[in-house]
Amino acid sequence: SQTIHQWPATLVQPVGSPLSLECTVEGTSNPNLYWYRQAAGRGLQLLFYSVGIGQISSEVPQNLSASRPQDRQFILSSKKLLLSDSGFYLCAWSVKVSYEQYFGPGTRLTVT
Amino acid sequence: DQQVKQNSPSLSVQEGRISILNCDYTNSMFDYFLWYKKYPAEGPTFLISISSIKDKNEDGRFTVFLNKSAKHLSLHIVPSQPGDSAVYFCAASGHSGTYKYIFGTGTRLKVLA
Repeated sequence: SQTIHQWPATLVQPVGSPLSLECTVEGTSNPNLYWYRQAAGRGLQLLFYSVGIGQISSEVPQNLSASRPQDRQFILSSKKLLLSDSGFYLCAWSVKVSYEQYFGPGTRLTVT
Repeated sequence: DQQVKQNSPSLSVQEGRISILNCDYTNSMFDYFLWYKKYPAEGPTFLISISSIKDKNEDGRFTVFLNKSAKHLSLHIVPSQPGDSAVYFCAASGHSGTYKYIFGTGTRLKVLA
């Protein structure tokens, strides 16, 4: 069966520090991968999606970047965190021929 | 511009009764709709979906209705159980090939025992 891992589960970082969140998927090949953010009191906002290694599409201009160095690995990064980067970050995957997306457990990021 | 709207941020229902969660959308190009359920500090889990070629899809206690002319969908939970208490998100997609979803802001359902 397929599983998706995210780490860390929680993170507290000072403003201006770098960020690296990792997501890996097991049990499937060549998935679509997604990064979402849920800010307090708001819905899920798609940040990045990837249809293959090295292929990243950005949905909103922001302080974050994403990379896909391996087929089942998706990384969210920032060089310098802002207070507004605080939120709940979710990684998701989908099989290319299916519409359903499956989410990881999420990372709660607090920028202080 | 919020293309997918869930206008009720919260809903309380007695156990055993019907829960109805609503979702409106503005983009007529959306052709696939999903409902997700989310518990605190966890990722959303897929619940049920519906294609725009249908107007109803049923899975156990969960039924989704789609009214394309009104650009409205709803999720019915019958009977409601305390374990159904969670935040429910609707999502819409009209971008086949990338499967990009637009999510609503969620409705928090509380089922009272």
